[in-house]
Amino acid sequence: QVQLVESGGGVVRPGGSMSLSCEGSGFTFKNYGIHWVRQAPGKGLEWVAFTRYDGSSKYYADSVKGRFTVSRDNSRNTLYLRMNSLRADDTGFYYCAKDRGIFGVIPTALDVWGKGTPVTVTS
Amino acid sequence: DIQMTQSPSTLSASVGDKITITCRASDSTSSWLAWYQQKPGNAPKLLIYEASRLESGVPSRFSGSGAGTDFTLTISSLQPEDVATYYCQQYESYAVFSFGPGTKVDIK
Repeated sequence: QVQLVESGGGVVRPGGSMSLSCEGSGFTFKNYGIHWVRQAPGKGLEWVAFTRYDGSSKYYADSVKGRFTVSRDNSRNTLYLRMNSLRADDTGFYYCAKDRGIFGVIPTALDVWGKGTPVTVTS
Repeated sequence: DIQMTQSPSTLSASVGDKITITCRASDSTSSWLAWYQQKPGNAPKLLIYEASRLESGVPSRFSGSGAGTDFTLTISSLQPEDVATYYCQQYESYAVFSFGPGTKVDIK
């Protein structure tokens, strides 16, 4: 079945770095844009970043711009999120989610979500 | 950036009731709006896209309507398994997505 599985979460100190991965299966990964969305404990959803199916365009929320970098390796069906200069307010559950549009030039709705991976930024 | 608001923030209703959640955008999103359901401890699930299109596999008691800045999600007959938080999300401004703050639905 169509599936996304995140990994790489954990505990990191403020100012530190962490990389998350998201592996897709059950669909043609290279044909779809993928998003990162996060959720702070007890809070709502916050969109973080998007990369087009071919990695040629990337978009970021203002809150992470300049600190987070999204990339993908379509040969490995894997999306990455490199997070630098982490802050306490980056703490939360990080989900990757597949964009609904095939070969989408622009992002649309998010139709398949992973189970998420937790990130805790604390001293 | 387009800001999203939702009302009510919490809703309590009886099984079988018809309920409506409203989502409002600070600027027009045309019909580029989606609704998601998130049950406790689970990832969100897409219910509605393009304001009114039902995602495959979603029960027909869910429906969406609206365009421009005002949108609604309706559950025609509330079921116990519908207890969840519901989020709207605009994707008209594709450089920056935004979600609404959520509406928590429970059974009276």
